[in-house]
Amino acid sequence: NFMLTQPHSVSESPGKTVTISCTRSSGSIANNYVQWYQRRPGSSPTTVIYEDNQRPSGVPDRFSGSIDSSSNSASLTISGLKTEDEADYYCQSYDSSNQVFGGGTKLTVL
Amino acid sequence: EVQLLESGGGLVLPGGSLRLSCAASGFTFSNRAMNWVRQAPGKGLEWVSAISGSGGYTAYADSVKGRFTISRANSKNTLYLQMNSLRAEDTAVYYCAKGSPYSYYDILTGYIAWGQGTPVTVSS
Repeated sequence: NFMLTQPHSVSESPGKTVTISCTRSSGSIANNYVQWYQRRPGSSPTTVIYEDNQRPSGVPDRFSGSIDSSSNSASLTISGLKTEDEADYYCQSYDSSNQVFGGGTKLTVL
Repeated sequence: EVQLLESGGGLVLPGGSLRLSCAASGFTFSNRAMNWVRQAPGKGLEWVSAISGSGGYTAYADSVKGRFTISRANSKNTLYLQMNSLRAEDTAVYYCAKGSPYSYYDILTGYIAWGQGTPVTVSS
Protein backbone atom coordinates (compact mmCIF):
# COMPACT_ATOMS: atom_id res chain seq x y z
CA ASN A 1 0.00 0.00 0.00
CA PHE A 2 1.07 3.56 -0.63
CA MET A 3 0.92 6.47 1.81
CA LEU A 4 -0.23 10.06 1.46
CA THR A 5 1.79 12.54 3.53
CA GLN A 6 0.40 15.93 4.55
CA PRO A 7 1.86 18.63 6.84
CA HIS A 8 0.42 18.37 10.34
CA SER A 9 -0.58 22.01 10.47
CA VAL A 10 -0.54 25.28 8.56
CA SER A 11 -1.61 28.75 9.56
CA GLU A 12 -2.32 31.94 7.70
CA SER A 13 -4.13 35.24 8.11
CA PRO A 14 -7.62 36.09 6.84
CA GLY A 15 -7.63 37.24 3.24
CA LYS A 16 -4.39 35.45 2.40
CA THR A 17 -3.80 32.30 0.34
CA VAL A 18 -2.68 28.94 1.73
CA THR A 19 -1.63 25.73 -0.02
CA ILE A 20 -1.75 22.28 1.58
CA SER A 21 0.36 19.54 0.00
CA CYS A 22 -0.25 15.79 -0.22
CA THR A 23 2.64 13.60 -1.38
CA ARG A 24 2.14 10.04 -2.63
CA SER A 25 4.83 7.58 -1.51
CA SER A 26 4.63 5.14 -4.41
CA GLY A 27 2.75 4.92 -7.66
CA SER A 28 2.04 7.95 -9.80
CA ILE A 29 -0.18 10.69 -8.36
CA ALA A 30 -1.53 11.21 -11.86
CA ASN A 31 -2.85 7.66 -12.24
CA ASN A 32 -5.63 7.91 -9.63
CA TYR A 33 -7.85 10.86 -8.77
CA VAL A 34 -7.23 12.83 -5.59
CA GLN A 35 -10.02 14.16 -3.39
CA TRP A 36 -9.91 16.73 -0.55
CA TYR A 37 -12.24 16.76 2.45
CA GLN A 38 -12.87 19.41 5.09
CA ARG A 39 -13.71 18.50 8.67
CA ARG A 40 -14.80 21.35 10.93
CA PRO A 41 -14.95 20.64 14.67
CA GLY A 42 -18.24 19.06 15.62
CA SER A 43 -19.34 18.50 12.02
CA SER A 44 -19.21 15.62 9.59
CA PRO A 45 -16.71 15.82 6.73
CA THR A 46 -17.57 17.59 3.49
CA THR A 47 -15.97 17.31 0.07
CA VAL A 48 -14.26 20.45 -1.21
CA ILE A 49 -12.44 18.93 -4.22
CA TYR A 50 -13.07 15.68 -6.08
CA GLU A 51 -11.34 14.08 -9.07
CA ASP A 52 -8.21 16.25 -8.70
CA ASN A 53 -9.74 19.66 -9.38
CA GLN A 54 -13.56 19.52 -9.44
CA ARG A 55 -15.65 21.44 -6.93
CA PRO A 56 -18.99 20.09 -5.72
CA SER A 57 -21.88 22.49 -6.09
CA GLY A 58 -21.90 24.97 -3.25
CA VAL A 59 -18.14 24.98 -2.70
CA PRO A 60 -16.77 28.46 -3.44
CA ASP A 61 -14.19 28.94 -6.16
CA ARG A 62 -11.74 30.07 -3.48
CA PHE A 63 -10.98 26.34 -3.22
CA SER A 64 -8.91 24.75 -5.98
CA GLY A 65 -7.03 21.49 -6.46
CA SER A 66 -4.09 20.50 -8.60
CA ILE A 67 -1.56 17.71 -9.10
CA ASP A 68 2.17 17.88 -9.86
CA SER A 69 3.67 14.77 -11.39
CA SER A 70 7.24 16.03 -10.91
CA SER A 71 6.85 15.99 -7.11
CA ASN A 72 4.24 13.21 -7.13
CA SER A 73 1.97 15.38 -5.06
CA ALA A 74 -1.42 17.03 -4.99
CA SER A 75 -2.25 20.44 -3.57
CA LEU A 76 -5.29 22.17 -2.16
CA THR A 77 -5.20 25.96 -2.42
CA ILE A 78 -7.57 28.20 -0.53
CA SER A 79 -7.54 31.88 -1.46
CA GLY A 80 -9.16 34.81 0.32
CA LEU A 81 -9.03 32.90 3.61
CA LYS A 82 -11.97 33.26 5.97
CA THR A 83 -12.17 32.29 9.62
CA GLU A 84 -14.80 29.70 8.66
CA ASP A 85 -12.12 27.86 6.64
CA GLU A 86 -10.43 26.84 9.90
CA ALA A 87 -10.71 23.04 9.89
CA ASP A 88 -8.87 19.78 9.32
CA TYR A 89 -8.27 18.94 5.66
CA TYR A 90 -7.67 15.39 4.39
CA CYS A 91 -6.47 14.27 0.99
CA GLN A 92 -7.53 10.85 -0.30
CA SER A 93 -6.65 8.67 -3.27
CA TYR A 94 -6.66 4.99 -4.20
CA ASP A 95 -5.05 2.14 -6.09
CA SER A 96 -6.40 -1.12 -7.47
CA SER A 97 -7.54 -2.46 -4.11
CA ASN A 98 -7.53 0.26 -1.45
CA GLN A 99 -8.48 3.79 -0.64
CA VAL A 100 -5.93 5.77 1.35
CA PHE A 101 -6.27 8.97 3.36
CA GLY A 102 -3.56 11.40 4.30
CA GLY A 103 -3.10 12.04 7.99
CA GLY A 104 -4.85 15.40 7.86
CA THR A 105 -3.71 19.01 8.08
CA LYS A 106 -5.03 21.40 10.68
CA LEU A 107 -5.58 24.82 9.13
CA THR A 108 -5.59 27.74 11.54
CA VAL A 109 -6.81 31.10 10.30
CA LEU A 110 -5.56 33.74 12.68
CA GLU B 1 -30.45 17.98 -2.38
CA VAL B 2 -28.46 14.87 -1.49
CA GLN B 3 -29.26 13.48 1.95
CA LEU B 4 -27.58 10.53 3.64
CA LEU B 5 -28.93 9.45 7.02
CA GLU B 6 -27.08 6.77 8.98
CA SER B 7 -28.57 4.74 11.81
CA GLY B 8 -27.91 1.60 13.81
CA GLY B 9 -24.88 2.61 15.85
CA GLY B 10 -24.59 2.00 19.56
CA LEU B 11 -22.73 0.22 22.35
CA VAL B 12 -21.79 -3.42 21.74
CA LEU B 13 -19.66 -5.98 23.55
CA PRO B 14 -16.39 -7.19 22.01
CA GLY B 15 -17.18 -10.07 19.69
CA GLY B 16 -20.68 -8.76 19.10
CA SER B 17 -22.47 -7.62 15.94
CA LEU B 18 -24.21 -4.51 14.63
CA ARG B 19 -25.87 -3.57 11.36
CA LEU B 20 -25.61 0.01 10.19
CA SER B 21 -28.01 1.52 7.67
CA CYS B 22 -27.81 4.60 5.47
CA ALA B 23 -30.99 5.99 3.90
CA ALA B 24 -30.23 7.97 0.74
CA SER B 25 -32.32 10.56 -1.09
CA GLY B 26 -31.91 13.37 -3.61
CA PHE B 27 -30.14 11.36 -6.31
CA THR B 28 -30.50 8.18 -8.36
CA PHE B 29 -29.14 5.78 -5.76
CA SER B 30 -28.59 2.80 -8.05
CA ASN B 31 -26.33 4.83 -10.34
CA ARG B 32 -23.66 5.57 -7.77
CA ALA B 33 -21.06 3.65 -5.79
CA MET B 34 -21.36 4.03 -2.03
CA ASN B 35 -18.85 3.80 0.78
CA TRP B 36 -18.46 3.49 4.52
CA VAL B 37 -15.75 5.59 6.17
CA ARG B 38 -14.95 5.81 9.87
CA GLN B 39 -13.14 8.08 12.28
CA ALA B 40 -11.93 6.77 15.62
CA PRO B 41 -11.65 9.17 18.57
CA GLY B 42 -8.64 11.43 18.09
CA LYS B 43 -7.66 9.74 14.82
CA GLY B 44 -7.94 10.51 11.13
CA LEU B 45 -10.37 9.26 8.52
CA GLU B 46 -10.23 5.58 7.50
CA TRP B 47 -11.97 4.00 4.54
CA VAL B 48 -13.89 0.84 5.46
CA SER B 49 -15.71 -0.49 2.42
CA ALA B 50 -17.13 0.36 -1.01
CA ILE B 51 -19.87 -1.11 -3.22
CA SER B 52 -20.83 -0.53 -6.84
CA GLY B 53 -24.19 0.85 -7.89
CA SER B 54 -25.49 -2.58 -8.85
CA GLY B 55 -24.06 -4.17 -5.72
CA GLY B 56 -22.04 -6.60 -7.82
CA TYR B 57 -18.62 -5.27 -6.83
CA THR B 58 -17.37 -4.73 -3.29
CA ALA B 59 -14.08 -3.84 -1.65
CA TYR B 60 -12.88 -3.82 1.96
CA ALA B 61 -10.03 -2.40 4.01
CA ASP B 62 -7.69 -5.10 5.31
CA SER B 63 -8.65 -4.16 8.89
CA VAL B 64 -12.27 -5.30 8.40
CA LYS B 65 -12.00 -7.96 5.68
CA GLY B 66 -13.78 -11.15 6.68
CA ARG B 67 -15.66 -9.44 9.53
CA PHE B 68 -17.71 -6.70 7.81
CA THR B 69 -20.11 -7.03 4.86
CA ILE B 70 -21.35 -4.14 2.76
CA SER B 71 -24.62 -4.43 0.84
CA ARG B 72 -27.36 -2.29 -0.63
CA ALA B 73 -31.08 -2.43 -1.40
CA ASN B 74 -31.61 -0.18 -4.41
CA SER B 75 -35.38 -0.61 -4.20
CA LYS B 76 -35.22 1.00 -0.76
CA ASN B 77 -32.40 3.51 -1.50
CA THR B 78 -30.53 2.07 1.47
CA LEU B 79 -26.91 1.09 2.13
CA TYR B 80 -25.94 -1.38 4.86
CA LEU B 81 -22.86 -2.44 6.80
CA GLN B 82 -23.06 -5.72 8.73
CA MET B 83 -20.32 -5.72 11.36
CA ASN B 84 -19.43 -8.99 13.08
CA SER B 85 -16.69 -10.01 15.52
CA LEU B 86 -16.37 -6.42 16.65
CA ARG B 87 -13.21 -5.29 18.40
CA ALA B 88 -12.35 -2.30 20.58
CA GLU B 89 -10.41 -0.81 17.68
CA ASP B 90 -13.64 -0.67 15.62
CA THR B 91 -14.90 2.07 17.96
CA ALA B 92 -15.52 5.09 15.73
CA VAL B 93 -18.09 7.31 14.09
CA TYR B 94 -19.18 5.60 10.88
CA TYR B 95 -20.13 7.71 7.87
CA CYS B 96 -21.76 6.67 4.63
CA ALA B 97 -20.52 8.55 1.60
CA LYS B 98 -21.77 8.89 -1.96
CA GLY B 99 -19.21 8.07 -4.62
CA SER B 100 -17.91 10.74 -6.97
CA PRO B 101 -18.97 10.61 -10.64
CA TYR B 102 -15.93 8.53 -11.71
CA SER B 103 -16.81 5.93 -9.10
CA TYR B 104 -19.20 4.56 -11.73
CA TYR B 105 -16.04 3.20 -13.40
CA ASP B 106 -13.90 2.61 -10.29
CA ILE B 107 -15.70 2.14 -6.98
CA LEU B 108 -12.59 3.15 -5.03
CA THR B 109 -12.38 6.67 -6.49
CA GLY B 110 -13.68 8.80 -3.62
CA TYR B 111 -16.75 10.64 -2.35
CA ILE B 112 -18.79 13.69 -3.15
CA ALA B 113 -21.26 13.75 -0.22
CA TRP B 114 -21.30 12.48 3.35
CA GLY B 115 -23.87 11.65 5.99
CA GLN B 116 -23.85 12.95 9.55
CA GLY B 117 -22.42 9.73 10.97
CA THR B 118 -23.48 7.15 13.54
CA PRO B 119 -21.28 6.31 16.56
CA VAL B 120 -20.22 2.75 17.34
CA THR B 121 -18.62 1.88 20.68
CA VAL B 122 -17.17 -1.58 21.29
CA SER B 123 -16.55 -2.02 24.98
CA SER B 124 -17.23 -4.37 27.87
